[in-house]
Amino acid sequence: EVQLLESGGDFVQPGGSLRLSCATSGFTFSTTAMNWVRQAPGKGLQWVSGITNSGDKTYYADSVKGRFTISRDNSKNLLYLQMDSLRGEDTGKYYCIRESWVPWGQGTLVIVSS
Amino acid sequence: EVVMTQSPLSLPVTLGQPASISCRSSQSLIHTDGGTYLNWFQQRPGQSPRRLIYKLFKRDSGVPDRFSGSGSGTNFTLRISRVEAEDIGIYYCMQGTHWPPITFGQGTRLEI
Repeated sequence: EVQLLESGGDFVQPGGSLRLSCATSGFTFSTTAMNWVRQAPGKGLQWVSGITNSGDKTYYADSVKGRFTISRDNSKNLLYLQMDSLRGEDTGKYYCIRESWVPWGQGTLVIVSS
Repeated sequence: EVVMTQSPLSLPVTLGQPASISCRSSQSLIHTDGGTYLNWFQQRPGQSPRRLIYKLFKRDSGVPDRFSGSGSGTNFTLRISRVEAEDIGIYYCMQGTHWPPITFGQGTRLEI
């Protein structure tokens, strides 16, 4: 069974940093491209970032470019999202998701507020 | 960036009756490989999203056959043949043909 377990969400002040992690199991992580998607409270879905299976290419939404860094550890089946210079508009639930877009985990909540 | 526009944003429905959600893209979603990378997701209240339809019309495993996807080019539709209570939630279209970025529609709230 494919499982995705996000963690690392927290309450942080504007300008602060967080690192999200996504522990995966049930599929061959090293051959699967991955994405991060977020959802602000009461709002829709927004793609944040993507990474190729090898990690050699990364992609970002304009709203996070230069502040967020996606990475992966294929030896540990882990996906990461380093979030720096956080802003209030970064508040929301963050989901990691495979390139096939199934399944979705429970997400991890990031709150950026003073 | 491909803009995805859904309508309506709120859809009152009657149980047992059909429902239809429209999604339009700002450019054709036909990929150079011939495929159309248009997905539909359902998000029930308090739950994570779940994919219902992929590549325009392919239904995911476990998705009731009352759900169907159709369309071409820039106009797409999600149809529910007979709405059931468990269908209440928000529906999103998403394009994966022209990326980055991958883009979603605003969401359509299905409500009784």
